[in-house]
Amino acid sequence: GAGVSQSPRYKVTKRGQDVTLRCDPISSHATLYWYQQALGQGPEFLTYFNYEAQPDKSGLPSDRFSAERPEGSISTLTIQRTEQRDSAMYRCASSLVRTEMGETQYFGPGTRLLVL
Amino acid sequence: AQSVTQLDSQVPVFEEAPVELRCNYSSSVSVYLFWYVQYPNQGLQLLLKYLSGSTLVKGINGFEAEFNKSQTSFHLRKPSVHISDTAEYFCAVSPGGGNKLTFGTGTQLKVEL
Repeated sequence: GAGVSQSPRYKVTKRGQDVTLRCDPISSHATLYWYQQALGQGPEFLTYFNYEAQPDKSGLPSDRFSAERPEGSISTLTIQRTEQRDSAMYRCASSLVRTEMGETQYFGPGTRLLVL
Repeated sequence: AQSVTQLDSQVPVFEEAPVELRCNYSSSVSVYLFWYVQYPNQGLQLLLKYLSGSTLVKGINGFEAEFNKSQTSFHLRKPSVHISDTAEYFCAVSPGGGNKLTFGTGTQLKVEL
């Protein structure tokens, strides 16, 4: 598509429920990133994919968080047994290649998650 | 590991006045430097980036930034701001050879008439 899209844009859930967020990157882009942005903070790296491979999960806060990109295009981020501290904006970005050479990351509009 | 400091959380400025948004970073390795802008209800958009070469980098919408290695700074400037520049601005770094962006906490630029 023309840009990175994310759905849903807003999600309200109750503590303990599972949620799945979706990211549709720019179609020619090999690399996809997930970031978490708490209120008043900058985005923080969660994980990234090169096509379907997931070389780095170091930013995932706990094993309740998982991400997939099974066909190397659309990605999902799943949070199991949500907690109130998971409330944040979740941002997805994609780039043509890995950022070895400072490749630009293109961001989607984000999904705002509120856990009650 | 890298870190980014944006000391100014909010910067009010009158239209047509110059502005500077400050960014300092710390890293034990060489880094690439970025400024992103976020308009309300939109995703982050790249303004400019420094990879190597000339330390003065020009970006979109009349913004520019200067990389100062000795001061580990990458301040963003615009000589004359417009109402439409009202937005949140994020400075970010990635390690050369790496792929994670580390962001600062952001600076809210508010341009007033």
